Amino acid sequence: EVQLLESGGGLAPPGGPLRLSCAASGFTFSSYAMSWVRQAPGKGLECVSGISGSGGSTYYADSVKGRFTISRDNSKNTLYLQMNSLRAEDTAVYYCAKDGAIVVVVRFDYWGQGTLVTVSS
Amino acid sequence: DIQMTQSPSSLSASVGDRITITCRASQSIRSYLNWYQQKPGKAPKLLIYAASSLQSGVPSRFSGSGSGTDFTLTISSLQPGDFATYSCQQSFSPPYTFGQGTKLEIK
Repeated sequence: EVQLLESGGGLAPPGGPLRLSCAASGFTFSSYAMSWVRQAPGKGLECVSGISGSGGSTYYADSVKGRFTISRDNSKNTLYLQMNSLRAEDTAVYYCAKDGAIVVVVRFDYWGQGTLVTVSS
Repeated sequence: DIQMTQSPSSLSASVGDRITITCRASQSIRSYLNWYQQKPGKAPKLLIYAASSLQSGVPSRFSGSGSGTDFTLTISSLQPGDFATYSCQQSFSPPYTFGQGTKLEIK
């Protein structure tokens, strides 16, 4: 059974850092691209960042480019999102999502339960 | 960026009804279109990918069609568990934008 378990969310001050993790199980982690998708309270979904199975290819939404860094440790079956220079508009539930192929094809067939990030002083 | 516009934003229907939700892209995305279902407090669930391919395990009452800029999601006979929010997403080019969502409510 595929399982994705996010952690690391919480309250962070504006301008501060936060690191999200997503522990994966039930599939060959290195064989699939992964992404982070967020949803601000009462709003729609936004693709934040994605990474290929090898880690060699990444993408970022313009809204987070230069501030967020996606990475993965295939030996630990874990996906990460390092978030720096946080802004109030980064407040959202962050989901990790498994893609449908080793390269980024944006077909998110499994999702975690989400972790809430609140940026506030 | 490619803008995805769904209509309607909300829809009231009854169990057994056939409903259609429309998604329009601001430029051609060929068939690079996904549909997701999301219930309150839960993660989205992939229903349809590549515009018309049914994701494994999804009931056949869900279907998708379209290409280029205009797409539809159809539910042939609504079941109680289908009342949720539905979102389209283009997978043609980054940023991989979603529509604003269509909330399907019980009449």
